[in-house]
Amino acid sequence: DGGITQSPKYLFRKEGQNVTLSCEQNLNHDAMYWYRQDPGQGLRLIYYSQIVNDFQKGDIAEGYSVSREKKESFPLTVTSAQKNPTAFYLCASSTGRSSGNTIYFGEGSWLTVV
Amino acid sequence: QKEVEQNSGPLSVPEGAIASLNCTYSDRGSQSFFWYRQYSGKSPELIMSIYSNGDKEDGRFTAQLNKASQYVSLLIRDSQPSDSATYLCAVNPNSGGYNKLIFGAGTRLAVHP
Repeated sequence: DGGITQSPKYLFRKEGQNVTLSCEQNLNHDAMYWYRQDPGQGLRLIYYSQIVNDFQKGDIAEGYSVSREKKESFPLTVTSAQKNPTAFYLCASSTGRSSGNTIYFGEGSWLTVV
Repeated sequence: QKEVEQNSGPLSVPEGAIASLNCTYSDRGSQSFFWYRQYSGKSPELIMSIYSNGDKEDGRFTAQLNKASQYVSLLIRDSQPSDSATYLCAVNPNSGGYNKLIFGAGTRLAVHP
């Protein structure tokens, strides 16, 4: 089936550890995105990528890093520099640059700091 | 700062009634608008997109856009308990042509039998 697959669904991180969230899509979409959602709040953009080997910071990029080596994959690393990483992380994709293209979401990953 | 504002709710409506969800946005140049539904603990799913002033209907859902007033709304007719969820309004400010969405915090809808 076509879609966006995020893994793991649940992840626990110890203080000072880096963790990587995986995002894979088989929709042949050019653009991919990472959003963060905190309880009772809307989604905030962390990073986005329009094409392979290119990505841009979103509104809350500090403490995060990404790579886009393949069109299908856009992993997010939450580094120890992110002081409050506990949140729901959503990967998304869309066909491209046009403002009318719809963004579709994966099922999300819950990250908890222990 | 480009913003999207929604009433957090909860908006409580009886089953069978019309639910009206509202959203305002600050960037007058915005061109595309989306409504997503999000059940608790799940990811957002697209309900409607609208690009032109006026109404757009899809089944029980109607999106309304008024660019002059910078206002977009979602009407849900014949509300069902299964419609109980948080509804997110999203706006594409079309900055630099990139397809980035700015989300409101969402309105929680509760449909009671």
